[in-house]
Amino acid sequence: QQPVQSPQAVILREGEDAVINCSSSKALYSVHWYRQKHGEAPVFLMILLKGGEQKGHEKISASFNEKKQQSSLYLTASQLSYSGTYFCGTEYRGSTLGRLYFGRGTQLTVWP
Amino acid sequence: DTAVSQTPKYLVTQMGNDKSIKCEQNLGHDTMYWYKQDSKKFLKIMFSYNNKELIINETVPNRFSPKSPDKAHLNLHINSLELGDSAVYFCASSQGGAGGVTEAFFGQGTRLTVV
Repeated sequence: QQPVQSPQAVILREGEDAVINCSSSKALYSVHWYRQKHGEAPVFLMILLKGGEQKGHEKISASFNEKKQQSSLYLTASQLSYSGTYFCGTEYRGSTLGRLYFGRGTQLTVWP
Repeated sequence: DTAVSQTPKYLVTQMGNDKSIKCEQNLGHDTMYWYKQDSKKFLKIMFSYNNKELIINETVPNRFSPKSPDKAHLNLHINSLELGDSAVYFCASSQGGAGGVTEAFFGQGTRLTVV
């Protein structure tokens, strides 16, 4: 049921860019993105509801391609504070609204 | 003011024991969840409650029983604990169940260790 995230891990230098992908085999109603720092709870970044929607949050933005059932998270000019594990959460169309399934996460490490 | 609070933060117990984890949210949300995060960081949904009614029960052993006395509380009781139950358990809340999920707020997690 859960979406598939890629890559599993990314290592960056400060200032570099990264893309994290999230895909589903089932029709998506919404896509959420969360970041979890070590030893802490996941924290909400953004939610995308419509196909083609793009949202931004500081230098972190995301897109949602409803036809391809995919979402991508873009991190530009990465900062040390971006390190953590990024999760996409998906809600599926149909009777399963109200259920938020998470991918296995992408571990992002930013080095100075 | 903590939006979603869980207690206890750490729980170490022996196999076969019964334990409970409590969760409370002060956000006025109508949907609450329990997630289990294993050592590989996989966040697996266990239960979802909307307005005190169970709407999701994923394939979870019946040793796990959620209880929602009111909209603001969702507790998790675990019977006959097993080694494989060791994990971090997160409570979360959001607005909207069948109408679609809004931003989910997570508690700080309960690290359960079964020895």
